[in-house]
Formats: sequence, C-alpha cells, structure tokens
Amino acid sequence: AQTVTQSQPEMSVQEAETVTLSCTYDTSESDYYLFWYKQPPSRQMILVIRQEAYKQQNATENRFSVNFQKAAKSFSLKISDSQLGDAAMYFCRHREAGGSNYKLTFGKGTLLTVNP
Amino acid sequence: DAGVTQSPTHLIKTRGQQVTLRCSPISGHKSVSWYQQVLGQGPQFIFQYYEKEERGRGNFPDRFSARQFPNYSSELNVNALLLGDSALYLCASSRQGNTEAFFGQGTRLTVV
Repeated sequence: AQTVTQSQPEMSVQEAETVTLSCTYDTSESDYYLFWYKQPPSRQMILVIRQEAYKQQNATENRFSVNFQKAAKSFSLKISDSQLGDAAMYFCRHREAGGSNYKLTFGKGTLLTVNP
Repeated sequence: DAGVTQSPTHLIKTRGQQVTLRCSPISGHKSVSWYQQVLGQGPQFIFQYYEKEERGRGNFPDRFSARQFPNYSSELNVNALLLGDSALYLCASSRQGNTEAFFGQGTRLTVV
C-alpha cells in the first residue's frame, strides 16, 4: 500500500519570501503521479501542481515548483514570493499511473501561514 | 462551465439518523469519487463510481453506501450516524476513473 508522509504539520513564511513544504512517499510502482493540492478555508481542494514520475524535469507553475527526487521518494513544494492568498492547508497526493482515483493517497497536510 | 457542486453545504444530524449527500460532476465527467476528511487530516477515499458502476471502495463500514445516476450525479448515504462520522465530505469528478479529479467544496456534516 502506498503511504504519503508530510512531516511538517505547520509552517509559516513572511510575505514575499520563499517556503518549502516537504513530502515523502512509499510505493512499489515505477510509474505514478504526484500532486500538491491547496485547501483554503473555503474548503475546496485546488490542484496546485502535478508531476509525472517518468519525467526527470521538475514541474513548475508560476511561483510554485517542485523538487522531485525519485530515488529518495521525495516530492517537496517550493512557493516563491509568498502571498497572503497562499495561506492554506497543503496536501501531497500520490496516484498510480494506471490506477483509478481510488488508488490515491493523501498526506495529512501542512498548514501554511503567511505573515504580512 | 460549472465546477463540481455539492449539496447541502452544511448539515447537522443526530446520532442514529440517516443522511444523504449529493454531488453533481462537471459536465462531461463520468466518474465521481467520495472522500471523508476529518478535521486535521487528509481526505480518506470512500467510493468511486464510473459509468454508474462502483469501481472502488475504501475501508468504510457498510453503513456507507453510494450510487450514481444516469446523468452521472451521485449520492452518498450514511445510515445509523455516529459522532465519529462528523467530517467534511468531498466529492470529486473526472472524465474517466484515472484522469485528473476536480473537487467540490464539500458538505460539512456534524453529528450531535
């Protein structure tokens, strides 16, 4: 069974600075997807960024980028130029490439606070 | 296009009662999944339906059931509610069972 571990229950960052959220996972599969989701107080789970395991290049989406280390099974999220609107719970998620959405596992989340 | 919509947004029930939660997927999406998110935890998978058939079930008791209708909307039913069923229930839809899932805003269920 896959497991996803987010070792930082809470993180804080000053506005305009950079913060990195960590995620490690355990899987026996060689092909899979990894995701970071943001859940603000509005509760809606919003996809931030995704990474295909077969791609060596780290995914980037504007101010969001990942550091994907396949051998170490690590998938960290870097938020640059943090904004107040980035404050939310962040969840790391794993899914097998050929699997259905039920074969996905979320971490327990990291609460990010952005200080003005 | 409208996103995934869930109703109601909030609900308070008494122990032992039954509850039905509803989800309308994004137009064109044929798969719906349900998750339970207890406060302070990540979402836990409950069910997935694709083309009106159950394609996956998480580790939840038989008190939890679901179905998907011909228009691909879905209902989650929970019988004999327990205090521990209090949680945010999230619905997600996708075009197929293994494509990207988009989440609704959830239904906050409180059991008293």
